[in-house]
Amino acid sequence: KAGVTQTPRYLIKTRGQQVTLSCSPISGHRSVSWYQQTPGQGLQFLFEYFSETQRNKGNFPGRFSGRQFSNSRSEMNVSTLELGDSALYLCASSLAGGGRSPLHFGNGTRLTVT
Amino acid sequence: TQLLEQSPQFLSIQEGENLTVYCNSSSVFSSLQWYRQEPGEGPVLLVTVVTGGEVKKLKRLTFQFGDARKDSSLHITAAQPGDTGLYLCAGAGETSGSRLTFGEGTQLTVNP
Repeated sequence: KAGVTQTPRYLIKTRGQQVTLSCSPISGHRSVSWYQQTPGQGLQFLFEYFSETQRNKGNFPGRFSGRQFSNSRSEMNVSTLELGDSALYLCASSLAGGGRSPLHFGNGTRLTVT
Repeated sequence: TQLLEQSPQFLSIQEGENLTVYCNSSSVFSSLQWYRQEPGEGPVLLVTVVTGGEVKKLKRLTFQFGDARKDSSLHITAAQPGDTGLYLCAGAGETSGSRLTFGEGTQLTVNP
């Protein structure tokens, strides 16, 4: 069974640009969550999508957005990039979401903003 | 806002030693998960505990959920170099969906 796939693995952008990251969940998983991981803040929740609807949202500015498609694949977009957006962005899928449903993480997209 | 404090932040030990990692909060969690993350990879789930006082064992790893469901610990017996990695605890609230609150992590290094 294929795991969670995130593309691209690495990305370098300049301030002010925008970026789109992609996540393909495990087949059959309907919940996709996104997290930002930085050395200083650890893993911070961005948002969760379930059946194409945003079900939960973290405390990030509106520059961070996402969506989920009918096949459960998800994308997240960051507009007007700032230096502080440099981080590892992790996507996780689960069968139904919720704290008791295990999260399966991808290997992340390493974003560097210069 | 739910917070999870994890300690210690860094731990470097010799092969064969025992260690304990702590995860504490002032908030109650409906469940708590432990993950291990290796460089260049995403976190991998080790265990989920859901009942206050619950103890789960996974080979040399023992996980405990506090009676009040506010804290948890991970104990490793006879650590091996393969145990090296970043250990993360993550708690879920009753209505948080997939929103997990993560601790800052414990970077464990086991030296041969």
